[in-house]
Amino acid sequence: GQNIDQPTEMTATEGAIVQINCTYQTSGFNGLFWYQQHAGEAPTFLSYNVLDGLEEKGRFSSFLSRSKGYSYLLLKELQMKDSASYLCAVRDRAGGSYIPTFGRGTSLIVHP
Amino acid sequence: DTEVTQTPKHLVMGMTNKKSLKCEQHMGHRAMYWYKQKAKKPPELMFVYSYEKLSINESVPSRFSPECPNSSLLNLHLHALQPEDSALYLCASSQGDTGGYEQYFGPGTRLTVT
Repeated sequence: GQNIDQPTEMTATEGAIVQINCTYQTSGFNGLFWYQQHAGEAPTFLSYNVLDGLEEKGRFSSFLSRSKGYSYLLLKELQMKDSASYLCAVRDRAGGSYIPTFGRGTSLIVHP
Repeated sequence: DTEVTQTPKHLVMGMTNKKSLKCEQHMGHRAMYWYKQKAKKPPELMFVYSYEKLSINESVPSRFSPECPNSSLLNLHLHALQPEDSALYLCASSQGDTGGYEQYFGPGTRLTVT
């Protein structure tokens, strides 16, 4: 199985940049997802990384280093609406299951 | 249409009741999932259906019984639940259960067992 670690909580200022880290241990890494979840709502997909490097999508970017078992989600020009939980989910092909396992999530609080 | 719908939004049931949660998607996705999520915790996988067949059951107690009547519908039948089963139940779908396919989540059913 996977061992996924994310910070529990982070705070940042509106307009700033924040980086949310995720480290993982797997025996058969097969992709990493980032999801955003507002309180009381369903998770929504942000990004997918399977190869090393940076994927950019507007204000959000996600980076992966497979050799280090490390990913980060970078949020630029923070807005109040970015206050949410950010979930890192890792897919491991060991055991034949390709279903991602979610980390505990990082609660991001954006203040004025 | 990139929407996964779930009904009901809220459900309160006693420990002797039988109820069902429903999930529907019309995106042609072949994999559908049930997750359970407690407050301030990540979603926990319960069941996976791939091409209308149950492919994963994460050791879920038999008081939860999934059903996939067709490729667009997924049900979760509930019977003799315990108060600790109170949680947000999320349904999700994806194009397949392998490959870099993101999951689309429904809004969830908030279940309270009294």
